[in-house]
Amino acid sequence: EADIYQTPRYLVIGTGKKITLECSQTMGHDKMYWYQQDPGMELHLIHYSYGVNSTEKGDLSSESTVSRIRTEHFPLTLESARPSHTSQYLCASSEVGTSRGGGYTFGSGTRLTVV
Amino acid sequence: RKEVEQDPGPFNVPEGATVAFNCTYSNSASQSFFWYRQDCRKEPKLLMSVYSSGNEDGRFTAQLNRASQYISLLIRDSKLSDSATYLCVVSEDGSSNTGKLIFGQGTTLQVKP
Repeated sequence: EADIYQTPRYLVIGTGKKITLECSQTMGHDKMYWYQQDPGMELHLIHYSYGVNSTEKGDLSSESTVSRIRTEHFPLTLESARPSHTSQYLCASSEVGTSRGGGYTFGSGTRLTVV
Repeated sequence: RKEVEQDPGPFNVPEGATVAFNCTYSNSASQSFFWYRQDCRKEPKLLMSVYSSGNEDGRFTAQLNRASQYISLLIRDSKLSDSATYLCVVSEDGSSNTGKLIFGQGTTLQVKP
């Protein structure tokens, strides 16, 4: 049973559309992350949050934005989708002070195609 | 230089073989280490944490060498179901409170019948 949920699972959308990728977790984790991953390639951190009203940009520059109004919810928004945004977007969460714990828990991902 | 380096492979091995993956990391202050498994077009899932003393989980053994900043994963008696990409993962810095992890690009394993 998944404790972190991403919707939609798949999305095909036209260029210029605004989209929001949803991510929710029921574990009460303070930290949440968004990663972008192209097929066969490595994960790139694009946004993260250490708690409510905290958001930071990740290592990979992204045109997307995020918000963290509630602990359990960390949506990612693209104001104007372009074909270069085609990728898989993975959301993850972790507890504060994860050291010997389980690291991150990932959602199933959203596979975005912009045509 | 990448913060976490892995040989991307692919490693093609027959069923029953023993295979070892290695990983090096650049941040000597890192405190937490993991191996994740990622199946094709799926999300990464935690395989095992890696402890300084080395640890074993069934057919999987993980080792950490802090002096050399080197992590390894050994899989014994490979199964077809072990075919996946294995990600070496290291915490960003020495504080256990940041929670930020750095992922390697992964090593792909293909186990053949």
